[in-house]
Amino acid sequence: AQSVAQPEDQVNVAEGNPLTVKCTYSVSGNPYLFWYVQYPNRGLQFLLKYITGDNLVKGSYGFEAEFNKSQTSFHLKKPSALVSDSALYFCAVRSRGGTSYGKLTFGQGTILTVHP
Amino acid sequence: GAVVSQHPSWVICKSGTSVKIECRSLDFQATTMFWYRQFPKQSLMLMATSNEGSKATYEQGVEKDKFLINHASLTLSTLTVTSAHPEDSSFYICSAPQAGVFNEQFFGPGTRLTVL
Repeated sequence: AQSVAQPEDQVNVAEGNPLTVKCTYSVSGNPYLFWYVQYPNRGLQFLLKYITGDNLVKGSYGFEAEFNKSQTSFHLKKPSALVSDSALYFCAVRSRGGTSYGKLTFGQGTILTVHP
Repeated sequence: GAVVSQHPSWVICKSGTSVKIECRSLDFQATTMFWYRQFPKQSLMLMATSNEGSKATYEQGVEKDKFLINHASLTLSTLTVTSAHPEDSSFYICSAPQAGVFNEQFFGPGTRLTVL
């Protein structure tokens, strides 16, 4: 079975400061990893994904994430936070095969609040 | 990127009635679509996998007779909540993977169901 943990329910950061939203995963074999953002009463918007290759993945809106296989982590980062980044962030994992092929498993979500 | 739409965006119904939610892939074909349920400030829980031309695959604990799924074409999947009750009130989100590189999933904007 695959699982994702986002250990922080909430992250608060001042505008202009760097932000990190943490994610760890558990999956058989090598994972596909994703970050999505959700604004109130909206669907999920794709931010970035790790498939293979460079461990540092760059995505939309200045976000990036680093895949760390030894720590089974995929933390989301941004060098300088904006108030408009305030939203609910989900980390997700998908296995590369087996019975769970194609299914995404989501973490519980982290509410990011960026203060002016 | 690919676009997935949902209709309606919100619906209010009386207890005991049935509600149909549509999920459409607008610019690509999707042989598989996924239906998720999200409670306030919580993560997405996969309900079922909708398969074009065949029966849907339901996750453990999801009532098949309660949540009817029909994937009649390569661009349309429908979720019908039958005999809805207040506990069925939730945010329902669909997603569709686009065939190609790593089957990236695209999410609909969600449907807010409120059962009175």
